[in-house]
Amino acid sequence: QTVVTQEPSFSVSPGGTLILTCALSSGSVSTSNYPSWFQQTPGQAPRTLIYNTNTRSSGVPDRFSGSVLGNKAALTITGAQAEDESDYYCGLYMGSGFWVFGGGTKLTVL
Amino acid sequence: QITLKESGPTLVKPTQTLTLTCTFSGFSLSTSGLGVGWIRQPPGKALEWLALIYWDGDQRYSPSLKSRLTITKDTSKNQVVLTMTNMDPVDTGTYFCAHKKDWNIRYWGQGTLVTVSS
Repeated sequence: QTVVTQEPSFSVSPGGTLILTCALSSGSVSTSNYPSWFQQTPGQAPRTLIYNTNTRSSGVPDRFSGSVLGNKAALTITGAQAEDESDYYCGLYMGSGFWVFGGGTKLTVL
Repeated sequence: QITLKESGPTLVKPTQTLTLTCTFSGFSLSTSGLGVGWIRQPPGKALEWLALIYWDGDQRYSPSLKSRLTITKDTSKNQVVLTMTNMDPVDTGTYFCAHKKDWNIRYWGQGTLVTVSS
């Protein structure tokens, strides 16, 4: 069974920079997994922030960026804002029309 | 503008079959490279991918739930239907449909909460 691991929680001060990561239990994350990042606030649907490793969805501020760092996918938030306080999920394409999601990271901005 | 909206029962009894409909606009599911998938989220928990149907009708399922799921499309109605058999209380959660382009999930529906209880 494929398990995707994210930091359960993360805290950052307003204006700070953070990197959230997404790791695969079965090996390295690569661009062939087309990593995506989704932002979800309580009671709302997820919103696609980043797809295809580093492509921002329309309307997403450029303080959000995606990459592969070493063997993990990464979401960098440069200059965190109070409104960035949300849950963040990564999603990885595993082939054959199958995706797996991480357990999510609860981001606190304080 | 791409939008998706889920509809279906909010309450089902254990052992019953759940049928959810995703009605979408802003794209055609006959376009190469596109697909519509279903993803669910138990209360307070993470997302779980369930099923996907491609523009050409090819269907893919989560291996752990494959025996219980069926996904179909009606291109003329811009709808995708998911059925899940033998519902159990652990299947309680919010069910989302989503637009897929190439290898990326791009847009999400608002979700529909399904509770399984007798």
